[in-house]
Amino acid sequence: NAGVTQTPKFRILKIGQSMTLQCTQDMNHNYMYWYRQDPGMGLKLIYYSVGAGITDKGEVPNGYNVSRSTTEDFPLRLELAAPSQTSVYFCASLRKGETVSPLHFGNGTRLTVT
Amino acid sequence: DQQVKQNSPSLSVQEGRISILNCDYTNSMFDYFLWYKKYPAEGPTFLISISSIKDKNEDGRFTVFLNKSAKHLSLHIVPSQPGDSAVYFCAASGPGSGTYKYIFGTGTRLKVLA
Repeated sequence: NAGVTQTPKFRILKIGQSMTLQCTQDMNHNYMYWYRQDPGMGLKLIYYSVGAGITDKGEVPNGYNVSRSTTEDFPLRLELAAPSQTSVYFCASLRKGETVSPLHFGNGTRLTVT
Repeated sequence: DQQVKQNSPSLSVQEGRISILNCDYTNSMFDYFLWYKKYPAEGPTFLISISSIKDKNEDGRFTVFLNKSAKHLSLHIVPSQPGDSAVYFCAASGPGSGTYKYIFGTGTRLKVLA
């Protein structure tokens, strides 16, 4: 099992450009999440999904969009990149069952917007 | 409004001694708490969790204590090892945050000195 895979690992964007951060998991997890981590800050939830076709906003959704067309994939879209979106982005997933389970994280995408 | 707080940004401990990392939360509806460990350039990895029906959970060198009346949890690492040097995040979830929407603290950087 590869777990949660994020691509790319690094990216530099110019202000106003757009890009998609890719996330895929092979653990058959039904819940998937996007977090961002800024220096000295914790992880802030951007968007999450409880299953294919269902997404919802987290704490800091502005400037981002997501889709969940399959169980495995949960891409994050930045439409008009801004310097405030410079951050490390983590995708995570979990399987919701009868018991609560922890999040499994990918290794992150470091994004710089200049 | 920071619902999960880690008030110590950093902690240094001698190898072999106990490391105690603290976390406070404000939402009394949280019912599941986790600790994650993060190395540079990697995603957070799950360490240990505790449900609100317990006040202690142990896993090898790691023990988490939960004091619901004080809305406080702590992670004890005994004995501390140089490989434990990392950033530690506590996280919480429950009906108050929307089940399975984990809220993270800002992290504590632990340095274990050889």
